[in-house]
Amino acid sequence: SQTIHQWPATLVQPVGSPLSLECTVEGTSNPNLYWYRQAAGRGLQLLFYSVGIGQISSEVPQNLSASRPQDRQFILSSKKLLLSDSGFYLCAWRAWRASYEQYFGPGTRLTVT
Amino acid sequence: GEDVEQSLFLSVREGDSSVINCTYTDSSSTYLYWYKQEPGAGLQLLTYIFSNMDMKQDQRLTVLLNKKDKHLSLRIADTQTGDSAIYFCAESITDKLIFGTGTRLQVFP
Repeated sequence: SQTIHQWPATLVQPVGSPLSLECTVEGTSNPNLYWYRQAAGRGLQLLFYSVGIGQISSEVPQNLSASRPQDRQFILSSKKLLLSDSGFYLCAWRAWRASYEQYFGPGTRLTVT
Repeated sequence: GEDVEQSLFLSVREGDSSVINCTYTDSSSTYLYWYKQEPGAGLQLLTYIFSNMDMKQDQRLTVLLNKKDKHLSLRIADTQTGDSAIYFCAESITDKLIFGTGTRLQVFP
């Protein structure tokens, strides 16, 4: 069966520090991968998605970047965090052949102080 | 354009039916979805409907789609306290899912 992991589960970082959040998927090959952010009291915002290794599409220009160094690994990064980067970050995957099933990881709660 | 809208809150009594509404803007969406998010957790796919369908029923859940008005609804029959959560609708556009703002459902005894 397929599983998706995210770490860390929670993170408190000062303004100006770097960020690296990792997402890995098991049990599938060549998945589409997604990063979403959920700010407090708001909906889900799609940040990045990837349809293959090294292929990254950015939805919202901002302080963050994403990379996909391996087929089932998706990394969200920042060189210098802003207060506005606080939120709940969710990784998701979808099988490239399936049009309707997208599965989410448990999320990382980031607080920038 | 890509925009999915939902009302923010819904409060219902236990045992009543809940209806959560959603409007979307992209008529090319092939699938529309309902996800549930419990506090501090990721999203769980509840159900989905293909765009050429009007209705889909799955146990206590009924999804209605009005493609002309670009309106999607989720009806939960016999709502229970365990149904309290945030419900997101989403539309599928090529490789992406675009989510609504989420509706917080509160069930009271």
